[in-house]
Amino acid sequence: DAGVIQSPRHEVTEMGQEVTLRCKPISGHNSLFWYRQTMMRGLELLIYFNNNVPIDDSGMPEDRFSAKMPNASFSTLKIQPSEPRDSAVYFCASSFGSRETQYFGPGTRLLVL
Amino acid sequence: ELKVEQNPLFLSMQEGKNYTIYCNYSTTSDRLYWYRQDPGKSLESLFVLLSNGAVKQEGRLMASLDTKARLSTLHITAAVHDLSATYFCAVDTYSGGGADGLTFGKGTHLIIQP
Repeated sequence: DAGVIQSPRHEVTEMGQEVTLRCKPISGHNSLFWYRQTMMRGLELLIYFNNNVPIDDSGMPEDRFSAKMPNASFSTLKIQPSEPRDSAVYFCASSFGSRETQYFGPGTRLLVL
Repeated sequence: ELKVEQNPLFLSMQEGKNYTIYCNYSTTSDRLYWYRQDPGKSLESLFVLLSNGAVKQEGRLMASLDTKARLSTLHITAAVHDLSATYFCAVDTYSGGGADGLTFGKGTHLIIQP
């Protein structure tokens, strides 16, 4: 099994630019989660999907962030416009059922200059 | 708001010693997870504890859950250098309408010295 796949692994962009992070969950998993990790705030849940439907987006920081899951094998997290405070590692995780063990992808390390 | 507190946040210990990491959480939950993260890497699942009194062991690591005390422990026996990492506990809250995702502690940065 390939595990959760995220792309890009590293992204450097300038303030004001649009950033799109991508995630492919483990095949057969029906829950997908987006987390953000920073030194100051630790690991934070941004949004999660069950069966491609967004269930809880209360962790999304503001309207600049949006997430979609058009099908069971693909999700995106978009930041538009990006700001330096968005610099973080963004993890995608998937599980078979929202209360089961979540398997994390390698993360996308985002730096906004 | 659910709060998950780990202590200690930093721990330096010698190989061969035993130690315990504590994880307290502020609201009712019947499910707790432990993850390991190596520097610059992703999170690796270690244990899922599903009920009060649950105990799981893998190698030199043993995790337990007391839902009444809202406390989980991760015990390290005869530590070895390879166990150096950051360990996170995470709590799953379930409000009946669906899971609310995981709330993570700040992590315990563990350094094991020869």
